[in-house]
Amino acid sequence: ETGVTQSPTHLIKTRGQQVTLRCSSQSGHNTVSWYQQALGQGPQFIFQYYREEENGRGNFPPRFSGLQFPNYSSELNVNALELDDSALYLCASSLWGLGSYEQYFGPGTRLTVT
Amino acid sequence: RKEVEQDPGPFNVPEGATVAFNCTYSNSASQSFFWYRQDCRKEPKLLMSVYSSGNEDGRFTAQLNRASQYISLLIRDSKLSDSATYLCVAFPGNTGKLIFGQGTTLQVKP
Repeated sequence: ETGVTQSPTHLIKTRGQQVTLRCSSQSGHNTVSWYQQALGQGPQFIFQYYREEENGRGNFPPRFSGLQFPNYSSELNVNALELDDSALYLCASSLWGLGSYEQYFGPGTRLTVT
Repeated sequence: RKEVEQDPGPFNVPEGATVAFNCTYSNSASQSFFWYRQDCRKEPKLLMSVYSSGNEDGRFTAQLNRASQYISLLIRDSKLSDSATYLCVAFPGNTGKLIFGQGTTLQVKP
């Protein structure tokens, strides 16, 4: 087990609604990255948070936003949900700045938008 | 062209076989590479990190060829429990972004 936790496990939302997903990083890690994984595809990078600031962003619109808290946990917020937002959302925890770039994933939140 | 490309398979092999997966990447600035394993409807799990020319861990060997921008994963003596999707990952290093390939599916049969 990686020690990375995510909540909720599953979520069903309606198009146009807003959703908040949560992630707790592994003890000792200071960085959280968020990924979206559609069925049959590899995970796609959404953004990363380090020291409570965004440290890189993938090709996702501004309605995808995030936060990191002083305890290094993080939230992913998605506004104005679209059907294509249905996917597995993964957060990954890592220790940034010591030359090791390994990221450890939580179990994911499966989001269905109807 | 995708930044990281893998043959999606599936690769169907008998127990005990040796199987190799190949992966190419387009960003020559990529510093580090990883192989992750993902079971159906589960999260990716880190299998191996590749920071130099290669790495070996038991039955698993990864090799990196920077000149050809190519990474491989070799699995020897395949077990039923090796059945999964194997994700090739590049890390360009300027942000925390991991770039994943589509994944290669392996099915090991008795």
